[in-house]
Amino acid sequence: AQSVTQPDIHITVSEGASLELRCNYSYGATPYLFWYVQSPGQGLQLLLKYFSGDTLVQGIKGFEAEFKRSQSSFNLRKPSVHWSDAAEYFCAVGAGDGNKLVFGAGTILRVKS
Amino acid sequence: KAGVTQTPRYLIKTRGQQVTLSCSPISGHRSVSWYQQTPGQGLQFLFEYFSETQRNKGNFPGRFSGRQFSNSRSEMNVSTLELGDSALYLCASSYGGRVREAFFGQGTRLTVV
Repeated sequence: AQSVTQPDIHITVSEGASLELRCNYSYGATPYLFWYVQSPGQGLQLLLKYFSGDTLVQGIKGFEAEFKRSQSSFNLRKPSVHWSDAAEYFCAVGAGDGNKLVFGAGTILRVKS
Repeated sequence: KAGVTQTPRYLIKTRGQQVTLSCSPISGHRSVSWYQQTPGQGLQFLFEYFSETQRNKGNFPGRFSGRQFSNSRSEMNVSTLELGDSALYLCASSYGGRVREAFFGQGTRLTVV
C-alpha cells in the first residue's frame, strides 16, 4: 500500500534562513508526488508536483523539491524563508488510477523573526 | 477562473442527524475527490467521483456516501452522525483521467455535538 512519511512534526526556522522539509514515500510504481501548504482553517494549496522528467521541480512562492528515487524521497526546499511561509506543509503521493492522494501527517513550520 | 467552491463553510449538527455537503469543481474538471481532515487521523481519502461514477473509495463506513451530477458538482452525505465525524471536509477538483494535480476548496468545518 502507498504511504508517505514526514518525519518532522514541527520545524522552526529564522526568517531569512534556508528550509528543508523531508518526505519519504512508499509506492511500487513511478510515483506522482505533490507538496501542498495549508494555512489555519483553510484548504490546501498546491506548491509543486512531480510526474516525470527533471528530478528538480520548481513551484510557487520560491519553493523547489527534488525527487530521489534511490532514497524514495521528495524533499521540499526554500533558500530564504519569509514570515508568511509559516503554515502546515503536506507531502502526498498519487495512488494508482484516478486522483486519490495519500498524504503524510504534515509538518508545521514556524518562522521566528 | 473560479476555484473550487464548498458550501456551507461551517456546520453544527447533533449526533444522529444527517448532513449533506456540496462541492462545485473548477469549470471543465470532471473529477471530484473528498477528504476528511482531523487532528488525530490527518487527511484521509473518502471517495472520488469521475463522470458521475465512483472511481475510488477509501476505508470509511457506509454512513459516508457521495454522488456526482452531470455538471460535475458533487455532494457527500453523512448519515447518523457521530461525535467522531467532527472534521474539516475537503473537496478536491481535478481535470480527470490519470493522476493530475488536485485543487482544493476551503473546506466545510463540521462540528457534531
